[in-house]
Amino acid sequence: GQNIDQPTEMTATEGAIVQINCTYQTSGFNGLFWYQQHAGEAPTFLSYNVLDGLEEKGRFSSFLSRSKGYSYLLLKELQMKDSASYLCAVSDSNYQLIWGAGTKLIIKP
Amino acid sequence: TAGITQAPTSQILAAGRSMTLRCTQDMRHNAMYWYRQDLGLGLRLIHYSNTAGTTGKGEVPDGYSVSRANTDDFPLTLASAVPSQTSVYFCASSDSVSEGNEQFFGPGTRLTVL
Repeated sequence: GQNIDQPTEMTATEGAIVQINCTYQTSGFNGLFWYQQHAGEAPTFLSYNVLDGLEEKGRFSSFLSRSKGYSYLLLKELQMKDSASYLCAVSDSNYQLIWGAGTKLIIKP
Repeated sequence: TAGITQAPTSQILAAGRSMTLRCTQDMRHNAMYWYRQDLGLGLRLIHYSNTAGTTGKGEVPDGYSVSRANTDDFPLTLASAVPSQTSVYFCASSDSVSEGNEQFFGPGTRLTVL
């Protein structure tokens, strides 16, 4: 079967760094996406990885290891506005996205 | 540009009634998708369309139907609503179905079936 696992909830302090992990088992792999979703809003695209390694985009970085079926999203210099859910999604052999349940990130002052 | 719009924003529907959720995009994207999002679960694909005139079933298609008469519109119809269809419904689109194409989401429709 297909499975995407990520922690349900994490708490971090403003100004700190947090790493959100995602492990996956899917039928085929055509890349991994991270999306951000604020409460009551639509998901918005953060990053895409298809090759192993780290992709950096400002305060956000995403890492992929295809051999381990593992990715993480790294958020630096946390701000209160980063309080949101972070969704991991894998593009399968048909380019359909298989979604994790999301990690709710709580930022404390 | 508006991107993707959905209507209505929210709706309370009596069980057994039918309803159509509307979705329109102005990005000339080829592919469109309907998801439902329930607490504790990931987004689940209901139906998709890779290009105008074609549709396909996703993970949870039962009780739902779609059509794709043109590029811009992708309505989702519940023929006879049941309480288990209470959910938040998101429409999304992408330029094409290929590697790396991110999906853009509409604001969602919150549906309650009583």
